[in-house]
Amino acid sequence: SQQGEEDPQALSIQEGENATMNCSYKTSINNLQWYRQNSGRGLVHLILIRSNEREKHSGRLRVTLDTSKKSSSLLITASRAADTASYFCATVLNTGGFKTIFGAGTRLFVKA
Amino acid sequence: DGGITQSPKYLFRKEGQNVTLSCEQNLNHDAMYWYRQDPGQGLRLIYYSQIVNDFQKGDIAEGYSVSREKKESFPLTVTSAQKNPTAFYLCASSIWPDYGYTFGSGTRLTVV
Repeated sequence: SQQGEEDPQALSIQEGENATMNCSYKTSINNLQWYRQNSGRGLVHLILIRSNEREKHSGRLRVTLDTSKKSSSLLITASRAADTASYFCATVLNTGGFKTIFGAGTRLFVKA
Repeated sequence: DGGITQSPKYLFRKEGQNVTLSCEQNLNHDAMYWYRQDPGQGLRLIYYSQIVNDFQKGDIAEGYSVSREKKESFPLTVTSAQKNPTAFYLCASSIWPDYGYTFGSGTRLTVV
């Protein structure tokens, strides 16, 4: 896998269902972040989880981090049509300076 | 309201022409970044700056130039040396390089 690779590439669900997206990476990280991008817009920062944390919550979002498996997941509970967007994970490496690498994203479509 | 303003929203460039994309922030962030996004892909780093009057090349700097004369401003020039400039350009800032980014709404550049 590449650094910060999301899975699946696309996901289609019904409103009210939960959506789970995964991110895998290769190199040890300082922290991992999730972003949302609506079509034709800039990215919006959702949540940051540090390498010594295992789980964080923010409203309907739950992020987990497993550093032994070099993976993270983003769970959106009780999804809404407004959650339709692309979701990106970004891994922050400490290579003397900090470097942030974005994955290619998961496109989520929530059907009303 | 604090945020990042990118202008213009749409830009058309003729062959051999240089164009400049504007990015202004009022968040008092030290670090600023320029990314390029191609359809269905993640973000690729063009240039970044962690302090006024200093900037560093990212992964795809060829054909681009930047300046950082003021903390609030980080304009990007797409030169005629960039042979495939059609893309969506995103500017971002952060208070610290390993913190979450605040993104502008983007500039869509098209070669005509």
